[in-house]
Order: sequence, then structure tokens, then C-alpha cells
Amino acid sequence: KQEVTQIPAALSVPEGENLVLNCSFTDSAIYNLQWFRQDPGKGLTSLLLIQSSQREQTSGRLNASLDKSSGRSTLYIAASQPGDSATYLCAVRNSGYALNFGKGTSLLVTP
Amino acid sequence: GAVVSQHPSWVICKSGTSVKIECRSLDFQATTMFWYRQFPKQSLMLMATSNEGSKATYEQGVEKDKFLINHASLTLSTLTVTSAHPEDSSFYICSASPLSGSIGETQYFGPGTRLLVL
Repeated sequence: KQEVTQIPAALSVPEGENLVLNCSFTDSAIYNLQWFRQDPGKGLTSLLLIQSSQREQTSGRLNASLDKSSGRSTLYIAASQPGDSATYLCAVRNSGYALNFGKGTSLLVTP
Repeated sequence: GAVVSQHPSWVICKSGTSVKIECRSLDFQATTMFWYRQFPKQSLMLMATSNEGSKATYEQGVEKDKFLINHASLTLSTLTVTSAHPEDSSFYICSASPLSGSIGETQYFGPGTRLLVL
């Protein structure tokens, strides 16, 4: 059974800092890995999707990398802003369509 | 594009009543929709996979007679929590994959429904 772990569970940084969120998974036979953002009491917003054959994806200030063999992914956020404050979820898809989620990293960016 | 809606967004009910939650794909068709549940500070856990025109597939530990799923069309799936109890209070989120997508296609998530059972 796929287990997804996210470290750290919570993170507080001052505005402007660059930061890295980590995700690890136990079963490397994945189809893809996706990073989501969740605001309090809200649904999920997809940030980046990395196919199993890819090494990284970039969108604006966000960069996600994937090392399938070691079962790791990182989400890099450059020049953080208070609006980036949210919970960031990592999800892995194995066979089938269902996603296996980590518990998330709660990020607070202070002005 | 690729918008998924849920209704209602909030529901408070008395213990023992049934609650129906709708999940709609607004601008695409989806043969498969998924229902997740999220408890406070916990991960999203898949409850069941909803297949249009056939029975839903439930994850281990999820009672199919308690959480009734109906996927009557390519744009609508419903989850009914029957005889709800306080321990069913949670955040329920659905997702859908476009009909034309491959297995690598992203899923699109609804905004979620917060259920509080008194």
C-alpha cells in the first residue's frame, strides 16, 4: 500500500524567503505525482503535475522535482508571499485513477 | 475549463438523518468520479470510486450501505450519508477525471462539503 509522507508538517517563514517542501512515497511504481494547495475549509487547487517520466515541472515561482527511484519529490517556492499561506498537499497516483495523499505541510508566510 | 462543483457547501443535520451531497462536472464529462473524506489535520482519504452506470467501488473499511453513491450521468455523482452520526462529521470532497483523459490525466476537485452532525 502506497504511503505518502510530507515533511515538515508545518512551516513559518518571513516574506521573501525561498522554501522547500518535501514529499516521500514508498512505492516507486507511480504514474504521476501532483502538488495541490488547500486553503482553510476549501477544496484543492492543482499546482503542478509531474508525470513519472519527468524530472521537474515549473509554474511561476513554483518548481516541483521528482526522483521516482528514491521515492521523493520537492516543491520549491521562490520569494514567498503572505498569499502563499496555505496547506500544500502531495498526492501520488499508482495504478487506477485514485490519488494517495500525504497529510500536507501547513505554510505560514508572515509579512 | 474543468470545473467541478459540489452542493451543498455546508450542511448541519441531526443525528439519524440522511444527507445527500452532489458533485457535478460543469464543463466536461466524467465516467469516473471519486469521493474523499478529510478529518481535521488529516490527509484526504479515498472513500469510493464512482463509475457512471455501474456500482461504486468502496475502499476497505468504508460501509457501502452507509455511504450510498449514485453516478447516474456523465456529469453528476451523489453521495448520501445515511443515518448520519457525529463521527461522520467531516469534509467531503469529490473529484472527476475527464472522459477523454488517459490514466495520467489530472483530476479536478470540487470545493468540498463540510458536514456537521449534531
